[in-house]
Amino acid sequence: AQSVTQPDIHITVSEGASLELRCNYSYGATPYLFWYVQSPGQGLQLLLKYFSGDTLVQGIKGFEAEFKRSQSSFNLRKPSVPWSDAAEYFCAVGAAGSARQLTFGSGTQLTVLP
Amino acid sequence: EPEVTQTPSHQVTQMGQEVILRCVPISNHLYFYWYRQILGQKVEFLVSFYNNEISEKSEIFDDQFSVERPDGSNFTLKIRSTKLEDSAMYFCASRGRQNTEAFFGQGTRLTVV
Repeated sequence: AQSVTQPDIHITVSEGASLELRCNYSYGATPYLFWYVQSPGQGLQLLLKYFSGDTLVQGIKGFEAEFKRSQSSFNLRKPSVPWSDAAEYFCAVGAAGSARQLTFGSGTQLTVLP
Repeated sequence: EPEVTQTPSHQVTQMGQEVILRCVPISNHLYFYWYRQILGQKVEFLVSFYNNEISEKSEIFDDQFSVERPDGSNFTLKIRSTKLEDSAMYFCASRGRQNTEAFFGQGTRLTVV
């Protein structure tokens, strides 16, 4: 069965600093990988996804993520974080098969200091 | 931009009561999902629905839960007899055949008292 680990429960950065959120997955085949963001009281918004091809994927809001098969990782990065990026970030892996339900990590809460 | 709509945004119910959570997926999408997020915990898959039947369900989705697509536009989750531990945020999601990512609604916060 697939699983996702986000080792950092909470990360604090200063506004304008760079950001890297870690995600490790366990999956038997080539995974479908996603990063979602959840602002307080809001739903889940897709930031970016990886299915195949180029291992560096670009998403919305200036985020990018790199798929590293050898490390089973899909870390999310951003060179400069504004205050408005404070939220909870979830990494997810999609199951094989037509239903392709998602398995989520436990999330990383990002605090941005002014 | 099309979006998944969930109603109500917040529902409070007494233990033992039945609740129905409603979702309007993106039109022309074919796969529909329910997830839940207990406060402070991860988002968990409940059930997927395709071609008018359940295609996958998790161990959480026991006999107290059911889903239905009654009219071709709505997608509902029913909990027959709510328990305190059913208190959570419930997310609906939909996915099209060609699209490969699921789009999530804003969620319904269910509070069982």
